[in-house]
Amino acid sequence: SYVLTQPPSVSVAPGQTARITCGGNNIGSKSAHWYQQKPGQAPVLVVYDDSDRPSGIPERFSGSNSGNTATLTISRVEAGDEADYYCQVWDSSRDHVVFGGGTKLTVL
Amino acid sequence: EVQLVESGGGLVKPGGSLRLSCAASGFTLSSYSMNWVRQAPGKGLEWVSSISSSSSYIYYADSVKGRFTISRDNAKNSLYLQMNSLRAEDTAVYYCARSITAAGRSDAFDIWGQGTMVTVSS
Repeated sequence: SYVLTQPPSVSVAPGQTARITCGGNNIGSKSAHWYQQKPGQAPVLVVYDDSDRPSGIPERFSGSNSGNTATLTISRVEAGDEADYYCQVWDSSRDHVVFGGGTKLTVL
Repeated sequence: EVQLVESGGGLVKPGGSLRLSCAASGFTLSSYSMNWVRQAPGKGLEWVSSISSSSSYIYYADSVKGRFTISRDNAKNSLYLQMNSLRAEDTAVYYCARSITAAGRSDAFDIWGQGTMVTVSS
């Protein structure tokens, strides 16, 4: 089955740039999506189709996808960005949605 | 306001059944594929099932195939998940989520409900 690998945790100081990776075999050939989930809340879509932002999501959130790695980049990190982040793709070989294991972003 | 509201969760014994509902408002359900995603306590997101806008295409995670059934009633703007032969490992918050388009499959999930808790325990 298709596996997405995320680092369990990423730490960054306020105002710096956070990069959260999502590794998968030839993930660059798929559309990658990213979700933010704060404690006790439902996930929120922050980037879709590799690099598009839904309305209402700050421009500080951006994405890229190439080769075996998709990346969510959060610029000028704020305390309010502290959350769990999940990547997601569609595994067309098995007609399954696949989520990464999630990355906890800590703002120092 | 575009909204999804789940209901039907609760405590059930192993081997029991439960039916979850998801009421959509603020948009036309028939224009979108819909999905169920669950999250066990302290764990990550796990996809459960997806259904296309006209119910032509239905997909299940291996962990629930043969036990869970997804369905929808576009006239009632509602999505359902019938869960049978429940196991302890099915304990989770269950979210319904809207796909960005009618096609689903590789789409992102742009609207999520607040979730309903299912606890399977004797």
